[in-house]
Amino acid sequence: GEDVEQSLFLSVREGDSSVINCTYTDSSSTYLYWYKQEPGAGLQLLTYIFSNMDMKQDQRLTVLLNKKDKHLSLRIADTQTGDSAIYFCAVGGPGGGADGLTFGKGTHLIIQP
Amino acid sequence: DAMVIQNPRYQVTQFGKPVTLSCSQTLNHNVMYWYQQKSSQAPKLLFHYYDKDFNNEADTPDNFQSRRPNTSFCFLDIRSPGLGDAAMYLCATSRDNTERDEQYFGPGTRLTVT
Repeated sequence: GEDVEQSLFLSVREGDSSVINCTYTDSSSTYLYWYKQEPGAGLQLLTYIFSNMDMKQDQRLTVLLNKKDKHLSLRIADTQTGDSAIYFCAVGGPGGGADGLTFGKGTHLIIQP
Repeated sequence: DAMVIQNPRYQVTQFGKPVTLSCSQTLNHNVMYWYQQKSSQAPKLLFHYYDKDFNNEADTPDNFQSRRPNTSFCFLDIRSPGLGDAAMYLCATSRDNTERDEQYFGPGTRLTVT
């Protein structure tokens, strides 16, 4: 089955850029997602990218996709304390939503003052 | 306004005592999902309903059942909770079941088993 890997922690200084990385194994996935989870809360969709795109920018968020290497990254510009959360990379199954989403274990983003 | 509502937010049950978690949605979406998220782990899909059609994941234990009496509501029943079932249970909905259909998540129910 699909395997999605992320590093567990990332620590950045307030105001710097954060880059969260993700690798996946199933090349047939056509939609790749980034979700944010704040403490005690559910998952909030931040952004997603189609597999035929290399990059997508949405305000402070930039998603880069290297389909050849099956590598996805999320860049958060000008990181703020409110960005402190767990960020999950998720990949849609080959059956689309019928397979649900396969999530990575999440990257804890820690903001240093 | 909340679109995917889960009740209760926190649930404590005893080992072996059946428990039901509730999810409701105001989006009129066709698909409803249940995920299990254990501490420091990725959410894992347990099953989903497409309308009234139930789809179970192959590795979901028989201890977990689900009901969807109407479009708006979906329940997760744990027949005999074990200590290993303590987790956050996330409900999600999507308009349809293609990859392009965004999944909307509820806030989750944190289940504690004593």
